[in-house]
Amino acid sequence: AQKVTQAQTEISVVEKEDVTLDCVYETRDTTYYLFWYKQPPSGELVFLIRRNSFDEQNEISGRYSWNFQKSTSSFNFTITASQVVDSAVYFCALSDLGNTGGFKTIFGAGTRLFVKA
Amino acid sequence: GAVVSQHPSRVICKSGTSVKIECRSLDFQATTMFWYRQFPKQSLMLMATSNEGSKATYEQGVEKDKFLINHASLTLSTLTVTSAHPEDSSFYICSARTSGGVQYFGPGTRLTVT
Repeated sequence: AQKVTQAQTEISVVEKEDVTLDCVYETRDTTYYLFWYKQPPSGELVFLIRRNSFDEQNEISGRYSWNFQKSTSSFNFTITASQVVDSAVYFCALSDLGNTGGFKTIFGAGTRLFVKA
Repeated sequence: GAVVSQHPSRVICKSGTSVKIECRSLDFQATTMFWYRQFPKQSLMLMATSNEGSKATYEQGVEKDKFLINHASLTLSTLTVTSAHPEDSSFYICSARTSGGVQYFGPGTRLTVT
C-alpha cells in the first residue's frame, strides 16, 4: 500500500530555533521517490527536494537538510535557524509505481509550521 | 526551474454550469499530468492521471463523468467540472511530470460554486 504519514499537524517555533518535520512512508516498491513541498499562504506549491530510493545520502541546502533512512522508512526535514518566512504548510510526498504501471504521487496530510518573530 | 501554469486562477460559477480549467507546461513537454484537489486545511488528493493521447486514469471515488480530463498535447491538459455544485468548490491543482520524473505543480485554481 502507498501511504505517507506526517504525524505533526502543527508546529510552532520562535525565530532562530531549529525545527524538524517528520515523514514516514509505506510502499511495496523498491524503486520510489520521496519529495518535500512547501505551500505558503498563497497556495502555490514550491518544490524543495526529491530523493530516489537508492540514494540514502543526506542532503543539505542552505538552512534546509533532509535525513532519509530506509531502515525506518522515514524522510525527515530540518530547518535550521528558522525564519518567519518559513511559515507555511509542508507536505511530504511519495511517488511509486504501485499497480498502475505509471508513477503517481500521493501526499501526506501536511505539517503547518508557524515561526514567530 | 520548470514552470506549470493554470488558468483561470479563480473562478466563480453558478450551480449547474460547467467550468474548464487549463494546465500548461510552459518550458517542457509532459507526457503525464496529474490533477489534484485540495479542500481547506487538508492535503492534496489525487483525482486522476492524465496521459497525452489516451484516456485519463481516475482514482477510486472520483466521478469521471463529472470531472472530464483531456490531455490533447504534450503541454496542455484540461479539467472540466460538469454540472458543478457547491460541494465541488475547492482548490484544484495540476501537476506536470518531467522526463526526469520530477512533478512540478501549477499555482492552482480556486473554484467557488454558488
